[in-house]
Amino acid sequence: AQKVTQAQTEISVVEKEDVTLDCVYETRDTTYYLFWYKQPPSGELVFLIRRNSFDEQNEISGRYSWNFQKSTSSFNFTITASQVVDSAVYFCALSERNTGTASKLTFGTGTRLQVTL
Amino acid sequence: GAGVSQSPSNKVTEKGKDVELRCDPISGHTALYWYRQSLGQGLEFLIYFQGNSAPDKSGLPSDRFSAERTGGSVSTLTIQRTQQEDSAVYLCASSFSRDSNQPQHFGDGTRLSIL
Repeated sequence: AQKVTQAQTEISVVEKEDVTLDCVYETRDTTYYLFWYKQPPSGELVFLIRRNSFDEQNEISGRYSWNFQKSTSSFNFTITASQVVDSAVYFCALSERNTGTASKLTFGTGTRLQVTL
Repeated sequence: GAGVSQSPSNKVTEKGKDVELRCDPISGHTALYWYRQSLGQGLEFLIYFQGNSAPDKSGLPSDRFSAERTGGSVSTLTIQRTQQEDSAVYLCASSFSRDSNQPQHFGDGTRLSIL
């Protein structure tokens, strides 16, 4: 069965600090997809990034970057120069290749990030 | 609108009553998902619809839960004889296709409170 672990329940940083959110996953499939979502206080889950299992290139988007390492089954998310608007709960999620059933997402328990002035 | 629309945004009801939650997916998205977010269980998959295929109901917690999707668009999630443990935020998501690489886009959710 697939599983996603986000060991950090809550992180507090001061604005402009860099912060890394950890995600470790388990799956028996060789083809799978990883996602990060942001849930601000308003409640809506916002899609941030998708990564497939055969592409281990790191990705950078503005202040956000993602480090995918298949050898350690990790897909970590770094925010550089954090801002107060980054305060939210961040979820890592896993979707296995279609096997004739739903491409449902398995979510981690989330990491609450608090950025203060 | 451009996003997934859910209604009502909040619902308070008495234990034992039936409730219906509605989801209107993004236009053109063929796959629709329901999830539940609660303090004790995190985000859990409930049910999935893809086109005219039979839905995947593997995540429904009991037979009090059912869902349908009419005309391949709007979906309703029904909970019969509600219990206090049903209190949660019910989230709907849609994606362009059933492919597992397609990101799911979520609505704001319906916060359900059972008294």
